[in-house]
Amino acid sequence: DAGVIQSPRHEVTEMGQEVTLRCKPISGHNSLFWYRQTMMRGLELLIYFNNNVPIDDSGMPEDRFSAKMPNASFSTLKIQPSEPRDSAVYFCASSLGAKETQYFGPGTRLLVL
Amino acid sequence: AQTVTQSQPEMSVQEAETVTLSCTYDTSENNYYLFWYKQPPSRQMILVIRQEAYKQQNATENRFSVNFQKAAKSFSLKISDSQLGDTAMYFCACHYSGGGADGLTFGKGTHLIIQP
Repeated sequence: DAGVIQSPRHEVTEMGQEVTLRCKPISGHNSLFWYRQTMMRGLELLIYFNNNVPIDDSGMPEDRFSAKMPNASFSTLKIQPSEPRDSAVYFCASSLGAKETQYFGPGTRLLVL
Repeated sequence: AQTVTQSQPEMSVQEAETVTLSCTYDTSENNYYLFWYKQPPSRQMILVIRQEAYKQQNATENRFSVNFQKAAKSFSLKISDSQLGDTAMYFCACHYSGGGADGLTFGKGTHLIIQP
């Protein structure tokens, strides 16, 4: 079975541009998580969905960040407008349930110039 | 707020040696899960091992085992017969299954280097 799929793997953009990160969870998993990894702050939870519904978005840093899960097999994380401090690796993870083991995608490395 | 602490930023051992990575956590919850994830240079986060807090028996996965001390809130990872491919960042994480967020709380990581 395929693991969690993320695209793009790398993204370089200029400050002020809109960035959209994509995630396809493991088939059958009903919980999806977005994390951000930076040198300064380590790995942080941004938002998570259960059965396509956002449950906790307290980790979303600002209104510039938004996430959607229109169906069980697809989620997006959007940054608009992007800023240099948004540069990080963004991970998507999925699990069979909110309390189950999370499996991570390969991450998207974002660089905002 | 839950916290996970890894006090060893970096460790280096010779191939075939045994190494132990330390982790402590802080929670008032009774029901939680502990994990070790490995992140090689590819940046992929790979699950190494999982421990349920209600289980007294330490989890084991091939060369990887944990020493779970619930009263001390300690969760160390032992890697036996270390291999070059074990070189990676290792993150300890806690999943609190009580109220509130269901995401993982991670430590800052330990960079493990296996020398040939």
